[in-house]
Amino acid sequence: EAGVTQFPSHSVIEKGQTVTLRCDPISGHDNLYWYRRVMGKEIKFLLHFVKESKQDESGMPNNRFLAERTGGTYSTLKVQPAELEDSGVYFCASSQYGTGGYGYTFGSGTRLTVV
Amino acid sequence: DQQVKQNSPSLSVQEGRISILNCDYTNSMFDYFLWYKKYPAEGPTFLISISSIKDKNEDGRFTVFLNKSAKHLSLHIVPSQPGDSAVYFCAASDRNQGGKLIFGQGTELSVKP
Repeated sequence: EAGVTQFPSHSVIEKGQTVTLRCDPISGHDNLYWYRRVMGKEIKFLLHFVKESKQDESGMPNNRFLAERTGGTYSTLKVQPAELEDSGVYFCASSQYGTGGYGYTFGSGTRLTVV
Repeated sequence: DQQVKQNSPSLSVQEGRISILNCDYTNSMFDYFLWYKKYPAEGPTFLISISSIKDKNEDGRFTVFLNKSAKHLSLHIVPSQPGDSAVYFCAASDRNQGGKLIFGQGTELSVKP
């Protein structure tokens, strides 16, 4: 079974530019989550999709962040325009179950550096 | 306000000894607690979890203990091995929050041969 795939693995962009991160979840996993870890701190929740619907987007920092999951398969997270504080590692995770007790499968993350 | 806290940023242990990683939480609505392990340049990997109705869960060398009255959990690794060297994250979930996890800051464990 293929795991959760994220690309690019690294991205360096200038402040004000746009970046799009992509996540391919494990096939059949309806639940898809985005998280972010900034500067070695805790991993913070951004949002949760169930199939193509946004179940919870309470963690999205502001309206410069836009997440989509067309057709309930892969997801994209766009940052436009990027700011310096958006730098960090963005993780995607998927799960069959919508409860946290079973754990998720995380991707390897995209390291975003805004300069 | 951080609901899940890991107050030790790092821990160093000798191979073969016990590693104890600690985590505190504030939200009494959490129903599951999980530990994840993370190697550099990789995503977190699920290690073990415990339901809030239990006080202990064991899986091989890994045991998680939950003390609800103290709002404290710990992960014990016995015996510790060099391959256990990684960052360990404590996380908690609330069944009413759709599987959203609240993570602590992580503890970097170093197991010396």
